[in-house]
Amino acid sequence: EAGVTQFPSHSVIEKGQTVTLRCDPISGHDNLYWYRRVMGKEIKFLLHFVKESKQDESGMPNNRFLAERTGGTYSTLKVQPAELEDSGVYFCASSVTQRGGVNEQFFGPGTRLTVL
Amino acid sequence: AQSVTQLGSHVSVSEGALVLLRCNYSSSVPPYLFWYVQYPNQGLQLLLKYTTGATLVKGINGFEAEFKKSETSFHLTKPSAHMSDAAEYFCAVSDPWGGYNKLIFGAGTRLAVHP
Repeated sequence: EAGVTQFPSHSVIEKGQTVTLRCDPISGHDNLYWYRRVMGKEIKFLLHFVKESKQDESGMPNNRFLAERTGGTYSTLKVQPAELEDSGVYFCASSVTQRGGVNEQFFGPGTRLTVL
Repeated sequence: AQSVTQLGSHVSVSEGALVLLRCNYSSSVPPYLFWYVQYPNQGLQLLLKYTTGATLVKGINGFEAEFKKSETSFHLTKPSAHMSDAAEYFCAVSDPWGGYNKLIFGAGTRLAVHP
């Protein structure tokens, strides 16, 4: 079974440009999460989809970030326009919904974004 | 607000020595607790988790962790380090306020194992 995949693995862009990150969750996983790790700091939650609906977007830093999950399958995270502080590693994770239990999250390898 | 503190951003041990990675959390209710590991160029992999029940939990690759409510700790241990354990380790919590979905991570501890 394929794991969570993310594309691209690396992206280098200039300040003011637009970048779109893609995440393909494990097939059948309703839950999809985005996290970000800024250089050397903790991994921070950005948002959570259940199928195509945003369940929790409390971690989205500002309105330059737009996440979508059309059709409840893959998700994209667009940053427009990118700023220097957006540099970091963006992780995607997915899980099935476990009633009464913990939803184990499976993580992708991340996309390393560098804004110059 | 919840937070997770990992003592020591870098830990170095000799092969065969005890591994101890420290994690303390703050939470108003008993959270779920996790340890993840990240090997180079890979995603985070779940090592072990505590939800309820037995406070000593065993994970993959010989790792285990003990939930100590009185100390708000969830330290990760392995009796004998192997070279292949070199990686970055993350402690994380989730709580009912986030539906146990949102993970709150510590800053990570990079483990080096030398011969």
